[in-house]
Amino acid sequence: DAGVIQSPRHEVTEMGQEVTLRCKPISGHDYLFWYRQTMMRGLELLIYFNNNVPIDDSGMPEDRFSAKMPNASFSTLKIQPSEPRDSAVYFCASSSWDRDPNEQFFGPGTRLTVL
Amino acid sequence: GNSVTQMEGPVTLSEEAFLTINCTYTATGYPSLFWYVQYPGEGLQLLLKATKADDKGSNKGFEATYRKETTSFHLEKGSVQVSDSAVYFCALSLLEWNKLTFGTGTQLKVEL
Repeated sequence: DAGVIQSPRHEVTEMGQEVTLRCKPISGHDYLFWYRQTMMRGLELLIYFNNNVPIDDSGMPEDRFSAKMPNASFSTLKIQPSEPRDSAVYFCASSSWDRDPNEQFFGPGTRLTVL
Repeated sequence: GNSVTQMEGPVTLSEEAFLTINCTYTATGYPSLFWYVQYPGEGLQLLLKATKADDKGSNKGFEATYRKETTSFHLEKGSVQVSDSAVYFCALSLLEWNKLTFGTGTQLKVEL
């Protein structure tokens, strides 16, 4: 199994630009989570999906952030427009209800730098 | 609300020393408890878990016991190795939510 795949691994952009982060969960997993990690705020849950449907987006910081899951094998997190305070490592994770929804498998992360 | 409190890091130990990383929690119900580990440059991975009071989770020489009376889930290892250097996260989950509440993480550095 390839594990959770995220792209790109690193992204450097300028303030005001649109940024799209991508995630492919583990095949057969029905939960998908997006997290943000910074030194100041630690690990924050932004949004999670169950069977492609957003269940809880209370962690999304503001309207500049949006997430979609058009099918079971793909999700995106978009920031438009980006700001320097969005610089962080963004993780995608997936899990399976049948196995244990709390055993989350994390991708390697996307390190975003907004200049 | 639900929250997890971990000891501040970094924790620096010599190889073969005994490790304890403290974790306490606050929850409105009866949570499941977890320890996740993040090695440098990687995502988090599940280290161990316990789903009810007095359960002991164990993996790779690490152990933690679910103590309901003290609302704690301290991580221990009898003899750490340099390869254990990582950030350790305590987390809880309530059955009805299917999402994890993480602590702030504790960095462990093991030196020769």
